[in-house]
Amino acid sequence: DAGVIQSPRHEVTEMGQEVTLRCKPISGHDYLFWYRQTMMRGLELLIYFNNNVPIDDSGMPEDRFSAKMPNASFSTLKIQPSEPRDSAVYFCASSFRLADNEQFFGPGTRLTVL
Amino acid sequence: GENVEQHPSTLSVQEGDSAVIKCTYSDSASNYFPWYKQELGKRPQLIIDIRSNVGEKKDQRIAVTLNKTAKHFSLHITETQPEDSAVYFCAARFSGGYNKLIFGAGTRLAVHP
Repeated sequence: DAGVIQSPRHEVTEMGQEVTLRCKPISGHDYLFWYRQTMMRGLELLIYFNNNVPIDDSGMPEDRFSAKMPNASFSTLKIQPSEPRDSAVYFCASSFRLADNEQFFGPGTRLTVL
Repeated sequence: GENVEQHPSTLSVQEGDSAVIKCTYSDSASNYFPWYKQELGKRPQLIIDIRSNVGEKKDQRIAVTLNKTAKHFSLHITETQPEDSAVYFCAARFSGGYNKLIFGAGTRLAVHP
């Protein structure tokens, strides 16, 4: 397996633009997590899904953020409109409940909002 | 609420010395405590974990201890090497039946040759 795949790896956009981050979890994993990492706030859980259903979105900062998981092999995190304070590294991770719960992280998307 | 505190935020040691990182958690029902290592520019990766039915676990130079009564757990790295330099995150899985982890703020470990 190729591991968790994220795209794009880097994204530079201007304030006000829509940004869409994509994630493909490891095949067979039933949990998918979106994290945001910044120097100030560390590693924050934004939202996570179990069997494609959102379970906890309490970490989503505001209505400008939305996430979907239309099927077991794909998820998106969308920011609309983007703001400079959204600049961060966004990680997607997946895990399999019955396999020791280890979360496998993707390589991350470095987002810069100018 | 759900919270994991991690100390210290930075740690500098000489090669060959030991390093200890400590974490406390708020939910007494937490039962799974992983540690992740993140090298500069890379993704976090699991290095060791411990479950609530075990007090200590060791893997070569790395060990983790858990004190459920005090609600704290620690990472111990012995005979540190320059390649151990990274940011280390502790985490706790909070009760609720799902795989949600709350991460500590991280410890930046620097091992000097």
